[in-house]
Amino acid sequence: ETGVTQTPRHLVMGMTNKKSLKCEQHLGHNAMYWYKQSAKKPLELMFVYNFKEQTENNSVPSRFSPECPNSSHLFLHLHTLQPEDSALYLCASSSQTGYEQYFGPGTRLTVT
Amino acid sequence: AQSVTQPDIHITVSEGASLELRCNYSYGATPYLFWYVQSPGQGLQLLLKYFSGDTLVQGIKGFEAEFKRSQSSFNLRKPSVHWSDAAEYFCAVGSSNFGNEKLTFGTGTRLTIIP
Repeated sequence: ETGVTQTPRHLVMGMTNKKSLKCEQHLGHNAMYWYKQSAKKPLELMFVYNFKEQTENNSVPSRFSPECPNSSHLFLHLHTLQPEDSALYLCASSSQTGYEQYFGPGTRLTVT
Repeated sequence: AQSVTQPDIHITVSEGASLELRCNYSYGATPYLFWYVQSPGQGLQLLLKYFSGDTLVQGIKGFEAEFKRSQSSFNLRKPSVHWSDAAEYFCAVGSSNFGNEKLTFGTGTRLTIIP
């Protein structure tokens, strides 16, 4: 595998479900990010991790819970989501914050 | 705080025609500048980047961009577009101050190509 991978690519979940999104980067980077991309809206930065430490949380609701066990892996745990949380969730990594980011293909999430 | 403006929400050009997508940024120091492209349902792909040096930078897929400090701009250009260039394009600004800085993205320009 090369670059940034995300699984699953598509996810449909009910509002009472619990699921997790996984991101893995094979680039040796130190920073990882979660973004939310909704139709007709700008790209929203959700969380930033730098050397496994969370350095930014952009007022994201607690129903989204990130986890970064090491510099190569990033998870987004989801529970009791709302229909408005349906979106494309993108993971990215960079060698340092402020440098160019490399994106995964995204997970298309639909909350029913 | 840094910011990015992409004034054009949607642009339509004919295949084979030239293209210029506009990007203006606001940042107090020397910025790092990037252009990304996104096909529907996909992640963002880095087209090119500017850190320092030559203000005209070449990227992948035949794209280039020019950094103009006096105009706070970093416009993306391509001399002849192909139908496969239809996508969403994002400009982004990063910081030369290391630490907890991050990229700030513009709202994107959707490019449509007509035959």
